[in-house]
Amino acid sequence: EADIYQTPRYLVIGTGKKITLECSQTMGHDKMYWYQQDPGMELHLIHYSYGVNSTEKGDLSSESTVSRIRTEHFPLTLESARPSHTSQYLCASSWTNYGYTFGSGTRLTVV
Amino acid sequence: RKEVEQDPGPFNVPEGATVAFNCTYSNSASQSFFWYRQDCRKEPKLLMSVYSSGNEDGRFTAQLNRASQYISLLIRDSKLSDSATYLCVVNSGGNMLTFGGGTRLMVKP
Repeated sequence: EADIYQTPRYLVIGTGKKITLECSQTMGHDKMYWYQQDPGMELHLIHYSYGVNSTEKGDLSSESTVSRIRTEHFPLTLESARPSHTSQYLCASSWTNYGYTFGSGTRLTVV
Repeated sequence: RKEVEQDPGPFNVPEGATVAFNCTYSNSASQSFFWYRQDCRKEPKLLMSVYSSGNEDGRFTAQLNRASQYISLLIRDSKLSDSATYLCVVNSGGNMLTFGGGTRLMVKP
């Protein structure tokens, strides 16, 4: 049973549209993360948060933005989607120094 | 040099075989270590934590060698369902986990 939820699971959208990928967790974890992963490739950290009102960019440059207004919620927004944004986006959460729990991911296709 | 390095494989083994994966990490200050499993087009899931004394969970055994900065995962009596990508993960401090690129395992009948 998942304690971290991502919606939508799949999204096909046209170029130039604004999209928000949702991520919520019910475990009270203080830390949350967004990763981008192409099929068969490595995970790339794009954003992370250590708590409410704390957000940082990750190792991979991304045109997306995030917010952390509530502990349980960490949405990712793309203001203007492009085909190069086509990928799988994985959200994760954790306590300090513990392993991460991942959501099921959002598979985004921009046409 | 990557902070966490793994042989990408694939490792093709028959059912019932024993297979071992190694992983090296570059930061000697790393504090905690994990193995994750990722099935095709799914999210990574925690397989096991890795402790200095080594630890075992059924057919899976993880070992940590701090002096040589490597971590290993041994799978005994491989099952078809073990086919997946195995990710070596290191916490180098600062609350951040670093993921290796993964080792792909294919278990054949």
